[in-house]
Amino acid sequence: DAGVIQSPRHEVTEMGQEVTLRCKPISGHNSLFWYRQTMMRGLELLIYFNNNVPIDDSGMPEDRFSAKMPNASFSTLKIQPSEPRDSAVYFCASSLGGRAYEQYFGPGTRLTVT
Amino acid sequence: EDQVTQSPEALRLQEGESSSLNCSYTVSGLRGLFWYRQDPGKGPEFLFTLYSAGEEKEKERLKATLTKKESFLHITAPKPEDSATYLCAPNTDKLIFGTGTRLQVFP
Repeated sequence: DAGVIQSPRHEVTEMGQEVTLRCKPISGHNSLFWYRQTMMRGLELLIYFNNNVPIDDSGMPEDRFSAKMPNASFSTLKIQPSEPRDSAVYFCASSLGGRAYEQYFGPGTRLTVT
Repeated sequence: EDQVTQSPEALRLQEGESSSLNCSYTVSGLRGLFWYRQDPGKGPEFLFTLYSAGEEKEKERLKATLTKKESFLHITAPKPEDSATYLCAPNTDKLIFGTGTRLQVFP
């Protein structure tokens, strides 16, 4: 199995630009999670999908952030407009049965907003 | 408010020197606890799930234990390849991760 796939691995953009991060979960997993990791705040859950439906988006910091999961094999996290404080590593993870099960993380996307 | 605390923040061990990492928490709706390992520049890697107080699980030089309010990750005779950040996360709907213990094992 290829594991969770994320793209791009690195993204550098200017403040105000739109950023789209992509994720392909492990085949057969029905749950997908987006996280943000910073030195100051650690690993934070942004949004959780189950069977392609957003179940919990309470971690999404503000309206500039949005996430979609159009099918079982693809999800996007979009930031529009981006700000320097959005600079972080964004991880996607998937699991077989929701929040109560172990998650498998992708390699992350390192986002730098200048 | 749910809280997860890991200690120590950083730990330096000589190869072969056993020690323990702690994860304490105040959460609601606890179903157990997860341990993950994270290497620099990579995503967290699943290690263990513990479901109830008194449960123990082992993997190579690692043993995880769980009580009602904390979990320990015991490392026996560590090797340099065990160097990583170890993260815990109580198994609840809120999925709050601790900030981790950064372990360095030197020869």
